[in-house]
Amino acid sequence: KQEVTQIPAALSVPEGENLVLNCSFTDSAIYNLQWFRQDPGKGLTSLLLIQSSQREQTSGRLNASLDKSSGRSTLYIAASQPGDSATYLCAVGVQGGKLIFGQGTELSVKP
Amino acid sequence: DTAVSQTPKYLVTQMGNDKSIKCEQNLGHDTMYWYKQDSKKFLKIMFSYNNKELIINETVPNRFSPKSPDKAHLNLHINSLELGDSAVYFCASSQDTGRTEAFFGQGTRLTVV
Repeated sequence: KQEVTQIPAALSVPEGENLVLNCSFTDSAIYNLQWFRQDPGKGLTSLLLIQSSQREQTSGRLNASLDKSSGRSTLYIAASQPGDSATYLCAVGVQGGKLIFGQGTELSVKP
Repeated sequence: DTAVSQTPKYLVTQMGNDKSIKCEQNLGHDTMYWYKQDSKKFLKIMFSYNNKELIINETVPNRFSPKSPDKAHLNLHINSLELGDSAVYFCASSQDTGRTEAFFGQGTRLTVV
């Protein structure tokens, strides 16, 4: 059974710091891995999608990596800003288009 | 234009009532989903439909009945609501059931009192 874990559960950093969020999964038979952002009381915003054959994807200050064999993904945020404060969710895509989510990392970036 | 839209955004209702949540996507996607986010913020899939056909039914009580009148719509009807049904329900869509990106709606916060 696929399980997705995100560490840490919560993270508080000062503005400008580079940071890494971690995601691990137990079964390497995935189609893809997707990182989302969720603001309080809002929906999920897709940040990056990495296909199972890819090693990383970049969008602006965000870089996500995928090591399928070890069951790990990281989301790197460069030069963090207070507007980056949100919950970040990692989800692995499996058969049928189903996404299996981690519990999320709640990020707070202090001015 | 909102890509995946749900109505209503908030729903407060009494135990035992029947309610529906509607979802529409204007992305031209073939596949739509319902996810439930519980009080601990954990997201779990409930159903998926591809081209109006049920693909995934994740052992959800049969009080929950999804209906897809066409590819762009997936509604969720809930009978005999219980306190434990209180959660945020998210609709999502993707191009197909393969390796494509999923897009989520803003969620419907259901509170059963």
